[in-house]
Amino acid sequence: DAGVIQSPRHEVTEMGQEVTLRCKPISGHDYLFWYRQTMMRGLELLIYFNNNVPIDDSGMPEDRFSAKMPNASFSTLKIQPSEPRDSAVYFCASSPTGLTEAFFGQGTRLTVV
Amino acid sequence: DAKTTQPPSMDCAEGRAANLPCNHSTISGNEYVYWYRQIHSQGPQYIIHGLKNNETNEMASLIITEDRKSSTLILPHATLRDTAVYYCIVSRDRGSTLGRLYFGRGTQLTVWP
Repeated sequence: DAGVIQSPRHEVTEMGQEVTLRCKPISGHDYLFWYRQTMMRGLELLIYFNNNVPIDDSGMPEDRFSAKMPNASFSTLKIQPSEPRDSAVYFCASSPTGLTEAFFGQGTRLTVV
Repeated sequence: DAKTTQPPSMDCAEGRAANLPCNHSTISGNEYVYWYRQIHSQGPQYIIHGLKNNETNEMASLIITEDRKSSTLILPHATLRDTAVYYCIVSRDRGSTLGRLYFGRGTQLTVWP
């Protein structure tokens, strides 16, 4: 397995534009997590899914953020409209059970100008 | 938020053992201790986890005190490639199959030649 795959690796967009980040988890993993990392706040959990169902989205900062998991092999994190304070590295991770190790992707570095 | 306390930075000579401490004095009986690390510009990487007993794998050893209020991650022979931020995390289990990982600030370990 190639591991957790995120795309794009880098994204630069203008304020107000819609941004969509994509994630392909490891096959067979039932849990998928979205994290955001900034210098100020460190690594923060945004939302996680179990068997494609959102379980806890209390970390999603506001209504401009939304996440979907239409099937077991694909998830998106969308920001609409984007703002400069959304600039961060966004990580996707998957886990086989949610109690063992999680495997992280390489991240998407988002810059909103 | 994560219920752990770690020193912000440590250093270690190459080839020597690196001992990274973590305090989790409010840990409850069903909570696990996880260790992850993040090498610059990469996604976090799982290292090891434990509940009560000491654990060892090919990467590291985890020593948990008898009262479970603290633990130490040991890298027996540190190399330059072990330079990274190390996160000690207490899982907040909710039910038998749900889990979340809350990352704090971690310890920046620098291994010098």
